[in-house]
Amino acid sequence: AQSVTQPDIHITVSEGASLELRCNYSYGATPYLFWYVQSPGQGLQLLLKYFSGDTLVQGIKGFEAEFKRSQSSFNLRKPSVHWSDAAEYFCASSYNNNDMRFGAGTRLTVKP
Amino acid sequence: GAVVSQHPSRVICKSGTSVKIECRSLDFQATTMFWYRQFPKQSLMLMATSNEGSKATYEQGVEKDKFLINHASLTLSTLTVTSAHPEDSSFYICSARSLGEQFFGPGTRLTVL
Repeated sequence: AQSVTQPDIHITVSEGASLELRCNYSYGATPYLFWYVQSPGQGLQLLLKYFSGDTLVQGIKGFEAEFKRSQSSFNLRKPSVHWSDAAEYFCASSYNNNDMRFGAGTRLTVKP
Repeated sequence: GAVVSQHPSRVICKSGTSVKIECRSLDFQATTMFWYRQFPKQSLMLMATSNEGSKATYEQGVEKDKFLINHASLTLSTLTVTSAHPEDSSFYICSARSLGEQFFGPGTRLTVL
């Protein structure tokens, strides 16, 4: 069965610093991979997705993610974090975009 | 992009009552919608897959008689929490699939007293 692991429950970075959130997936075939952001009490907003092709994916709000098949990873990065980026981030995978499975989430705190 | 709405956004009910949550795809038709539940500070857990015109497919451990799902049209799926109890208090999120992508609703906060 497919699963998604986000090893970091909580990360704190200073405003302006770079950010990397880790995500590993477990599945026989290459799944579709997603990163979502959720602000408190809100729904999910899609940051970016990978289906196939170029392994470096650009998303909204200056985020990018790189798919590494050899490491079964899809880490999210941002070169310079803004205070408004503080939120909960979820990595997700699905097979043929059905049946989406979410990681446990990483809470990002941004220090002034 | 495609928009999915949920109604209500927040509901408080007494234990033993039933609550209906609506999920609508506003500008597209969705033969498949999904219902998730999210407990505080936890991830989203898929509850069921809702298929228009047929029975929903429930994930293991989800009681289909307690969480009734109806997908009567291509733009509406409803989740009814029957005989709600405090442990059913949660954030319920739906999503609808369009052109190979899932779009999420804003969620419904259910509090059962």
